[in-house]
Amino acid sequence: GENVEQHPSTLSVQEGDSAVIKCTYSDSASNYFPWYKQELGKGPQLIIDIRSNVGEKKDQRIAVTLNKTAKHFSLHITETQPEDSAVYFCAASIPNSGYSTLTFGKGTMLLVSP
Amino acid sequence: NAGVTQTPKFQVLKTGQSMTLQCAQDMNHNSMYWYRQDPGMGLRLIYYSASEGTTDKGEVPNGYNVSRLNKREFSLRLESAAPSQTSVYFCASSEINGGADTQYFGPGTRLTVL
Repeated sequence: GENVEQHPSTLSVQEGDSAVIKCTYSDSASNYFPWYKQELGKGPQLIIDIRSNVGEKKDQRIAVTLNKTAKHFSLHITETQPEDSAVYFCAASIPNSGYSTLTFGKGTMLLVSP
Repeated sequence: NAGVTQTPKFQVLKTGQSMTLQCAQDMNHNSMYWYRQDPGMGLRLIYYSASEGTTDKGEVPNGYNVSRLNKREFSLRLESAAPSQTSVYFCASSEINGGADTQYFGPGTRLTVL
């Protein structure tokens, strides 16, 4: 099955700095790569996603890049703010006859200090 | 739109007791999922239901059973709880979108087994 590795496990930055979280996946058939943000005591929420036919996608301060050859994808957050502090999860999805399941990385705790 | 709702929010059980975790979604999604989240382990899939009337095992199904009651509801049952099942349980739902699998999560149930 699919295996997703995520690094780093914790990341501390100063407000205004950029943060980068990296993930690698094992199965070249994976074609969908979402990123989730989980705040304390809440369920994960989708913040951005990318499909295998796209190399980069941006949404305001958040961007995701995908390198299919190397089988890795990254989340970039610019101009970080204290409210960006949370746990971030990457995931990879393999399509299967009209439905698919996600395999998640182990998460990165991002701490943004004022 | 409430999205995905889960009950109860918290539960304490003794070893050997049974209980059912409830999940409902009002987004008319076809697929529903149960995950457990443990520290440092990310989200691991227990069971999923690709569509009403079908259920399949995920990565960690031992000790659990599920029922897809109708399109809206998907329950998770622990027949004889064990301390190793102490975890946070999340339900999610999705509708296939161009082959992607965007999942929407509930707020979670925090279960402690003594």
